[in-house]
Amino acid sequence: AQSVTQLDSQVPVFEEAPVELRCNYSSSVSVYLFWYVQYPNQGLQLLLKYLSGSTLVESINGFEAEFNKSQTSFHLRKPSVHISDTAEYFCAVSRSHSGGYNKLIFGAGTRLAVHP
Amino acid sequence: DVKVTQSSRYLVKRTGEKVFLECVQDMDHENMFWYRQDPGLGLRLIYFSYDVKMKEKGDIPEGYSVSREKKERFSLILESASTNQTSMYLCASSFRDSYGYTFGSGTRLTVV
Repeated sequence: AQSVTQLDSQVPVFEEAPVELRCNYSSSVSVYLFWYVQYPNQGLQLLLKYLSGSTLVESINGFEAEFNKSQTSFHLRKPSVHISDTAEYFCAVSRSHSGGYNKLIFGAGTRLAVHP
Repeated sequence: DVKVTQSSRYLVKRTGEKVFLECVQDMDHENMFWYRQDPGLGLRLIYFSYDVKMKEKGDIPEGYSVSREKKERFSLILESASTNQTSMYLCASSFRDSYGYTFGSGTRLTVV
């Protein structure tokens, strides 16, 4: 069975500092990996995804994540955070099914709090 | 602007009531999902549907049922609400074979 572990439930950081949110997964088959972000009182939005190809993927707002198959990790990083990055971040893993649907399995979430 | 709409943002129900949570999407997506979100547990899949009238159990289906009579609408039903079903419920949809989920804003249900 697949599972996702987010190693930190909360990450406090000062504005303009770098941040890393850690994610490890377990699966015996090829997987696809995602990071979703949830701003206060909103639903989840896709931040970035790894399906194939380059192991380093980037989002439009400066986040990046690297797929590391040997360490079964997909950590999320940003070199300089802003107050507006305060949100909860969810790592997710998916495997395709023959029925044409792809179920996402989510981690417990990491709450990023950016302080001035 | 395409979206997934959940009918209620906040809901308070009594123990034993039958509760309906509604979700509508306007993107012609084949797949629809219901998750519940609890602190420290992340999102857990309750049920999903990959076509009209088709449904599959997720990881925590006990105490819930679903209905999908039309492609755009996916309803989650709590047959007899209990306090341990107090949670945030999130609906999502996607195209067949797509990995891109679109989420609704959620319904925060409190069972008293």
